[in-house]
Amino acid sequence: GAGVSQTPSNKVTEKGKYVELRCDPISGHTALYWYRQSLGQGPEFLIYFQGTGAADDSGLPNDRFFAVRPEGSVSTLKIQRTERGDSAVYLCASSDTRMVRADRNEQFFGPGTRLTVL
Amino acid sequence: AQKITQTQPGMFVQEKEAVTLDCTYDTSDQSYGLFWYKQPSSGEMIFLIYQGSYDEQNATEGRYSLNFQKARKSANLVISASQLGDSAMYFCAMRISGGSNYKLTFGKGTLLTVNP
Repeated sequence: GAGVSQTPSNKVTEKGKYVELRCDPISGHTALYWYRQSLGQGPEFLIYFQGTGAADDSGLPNDRFFAVRPEGSVSTLKIQRTERGDSAVYLCASSDTRMVRADRNEQFFGPGTRLTVL
Repeated sequence: AQKITQTQPGMFVQEKEAVTLDCTYDTSDQSYGLFWYKQPSSGEMIFLIYQGSYDEQNATEGRYSLNFQKARKSANLVISASQLGDSAMYFCAMRISGGSNYKLTFGKGTLLTVNP
C-alpha cells in the first residue's frame, strides 16, 4: 500500500512569510507525528496526534508553529512569520497504535519537506 | 528526560565485513523501547530493528542484530556482511513504553560508508 507522503518536497520562502506543510499518513494509522531535522542532527519531536487531537505538542518551539489534523487523517504543519532558523527538513510519520505489540509501535516516515527560509 | 548518545559521527567498513554502530541511552524509566532507523541520501527514515527493555533475547532482523546490554544502557547495532547499499546515516532512538505517548527521541546519528 501507499506509504506516508508529504508535500511539497521542497519549499523556499522569505523571512516573515507563512508556510503550510502537508502530511498524508498511511491509511488507517491512528497516530501521526511531526519531527524536525536540522543539518547534521537527528530528528527532533515537534507534535504527536492521536486521532484528531494533539496528544503532545511539547516539542513545538514557539507559538509560531501550529499543526492540525481535523479529520484524523491528513495533517498540516503551519509556520507563521518564518525565520531563517526554521530552515530544516520536516518529517512526518504515522503508526498504528492499536497493534497488539503496542510498545513496539513502529513509526513509518515520509520523505520529508525541505524548508528553506531566505 | 530521555537521551540518546551516538559517539561515532562516521564509520567505514569494507564490503562483506561486519560493523557495529554504538548507541547508549539514558532514562529513569524501567519500560522502554529502542529503535534503529536508516536514512539514505534520499532522506526517508527506514525502520530496521526494535528491542524492548523487557525482551530477554537480543533482537535480530536479517543482517541486523541489536546487542542490548541493559546494565550498561547500550543498544549497539550490528550489521553483518555489509553491502554497498548499507551506506547511509543510522539513527538510534528510544521511546518510553507503558503510556500513550509514542514519540521518539533520536540520537545525532552515525554516517556509515561501505567501501568496495
